[in-house]
Amino acid sequence: NAGVTQTPKFRVLKTGQSMTLLCAQDMNHEYMYWYRQDPGMGLRLIHYSVGEGTTAKGEVPDGYNVSRLKKQNFLLGLESAAPSQTSVYFCASSQRLAEYNEQFFGPGTRLTVL
Amino acid sequence: GQNIDQPTEMTATEGAIVQINCTYQTSGFNGLFWYQQHAGEAPTFLSYNVLDGLEEKGRFSSFLSRSKGYSYLLLKELQMKDSASYLCAVSDSNYQLIWGAGTKLIIKP
Repeated sequence: NAGVTQTPKFRVLKTGQSMTLLCAQDMNHEYMYWYRQDPGMGLRLIHYSVGEGTTAKGEVPDGYNVSRLKKQNFLLGLESAAPSQTSVYFCASSQRLAEYNEQFFGPGTRLTVL
Repeated sequence: GQNIDQPTEMTATEGAIVQINCTYQTSGFNGLFWYQQHAGEAPTFLSYNVLDGLEEKGRFSSFLSRSKGYSYLLLKELQMKDSASYLCAVSDSNYQLIWGAGTKLIIKP
């Protein structure tokens, strides 16, 4: 039982390049989330999904796209990377969207955009 | 707007007790979470409070006062491995988590 996994762990991009971050969970959770974490700030929600085939915008969605083609996978895409997208990206999943909606986190992807 | 406030950094001594405070103003309230995050790692769940009062779990306890928009995490018998950031998060009216910036706890021998 691996929990939540993310690939890659580290990536360096040049401005304007594109990439996809992959998140996978084996807990059969319905809900999945992408956050970014920057120094001095709380985790900020980029996009989330309430089930296979669904996605919704979070607090900071601009510059990112997502897809949830399979229940266990949630992909985050950067179409044209900018230095402002340098951050640590965490994927999370939860069983429910109700009280006690504990979220389980992946190990993170550290992205640098030059 | 929604706001979660925590101290940026705290220092404590091994074996002592430390209290990390969190105040919040959110649109709705469906519970408050505390997570621990070691440097370079993912956040991991510590505790959840939805009713007023104290929840105890081993060396860690968490308190909530909904009327005051206030919570604290109490860590007893501090160990060096407790050096980490502690994140406060509130589940809002849409059950989305609103996160504080975290409190970095430094434990000295």
